[in-house]
Amino acid sequence: QSALTQPASVSGSPGQSITISCTGTSSDVGGYNYVSWYQQHPGKAPKLMIYDVSIRPSGVSTRFSGSKSGNSASLTISGLQAEDESDYYCSSYSRGSNLHVFGTGTRVIVL
Amino acid sequence: EVHLLESGGGLLQPGESLRLSCAASGFTFENYAMSWVRQAPGKGLEWVSSISGGGGSRYYVDSVKGRFTISRDNSENTLFLEMNSLRAEDTAVYYCAKNAERQPMYYFDYWGQGTLVTVSS
Repeated sequence: QSALTQPASVSGSPGQSITISCTGTSSDVGGYNYVSWYQQHPGKAPKLMIYDVSIRPSGVSTRFSGSKSGNSASLTISGLQAEDESDYYCSSYSRGSNLHVFGTGTRVIVL
Repeated sequence: EVHLLESGGGLLQPGESLRLSCAASGFTFENYAMSWVRQAPGKGLEWVSSISGGGGSRYYVDSVKGRFTISRDNSENTLFLEMNSLRAEDTAVYYCAKNAERQPMYYFDYWGQGTLVTVSS
């Protein structure tokens, strides 16, 4: 069972908006509204940013939003800030042999 | 405040065994599924295993089935991962993660800081 596909890197200038894609199959992303997104700074533990496709946990900036269409999900960061420079991973429940599947990860670079 | 503290990592040779522990606090442990997620050096996150709140349902990634065993002690608020027949490709930081609900198909809302397991001859 393959990892979900994400772009290796996405970059933007401060204040801009960027979108990270996460492509799976009908057995995971497309089949369930159980997509979540995690932010991971170097050497740190992942942090939950979005769950159930588009819900922000308490304390997460409103600049982060999530959506899904078909077998692909997206994370949008609006008003990009220097502190957003990090690695981002999507994840989905899967009805395949593995219960959860993560994305390949995307490095967000703030120019 | 939720707190997860992993321990037990170390340097081992191929074929050896190791048990990781994760001490949990700040929530009613038995009410939530728990998981292990690993990250090889310079690589992405990989789900390894999950266990339901009561411990009756366990799930594993294909690459560790038959070698790893997840378990929990709800009286001690502790999660375990017994790792046997270790391989070089098991080298990674192992994170303990709390699932959002009692069943393990839900997202991971809290993570520990991780413990490094290195398998090398």
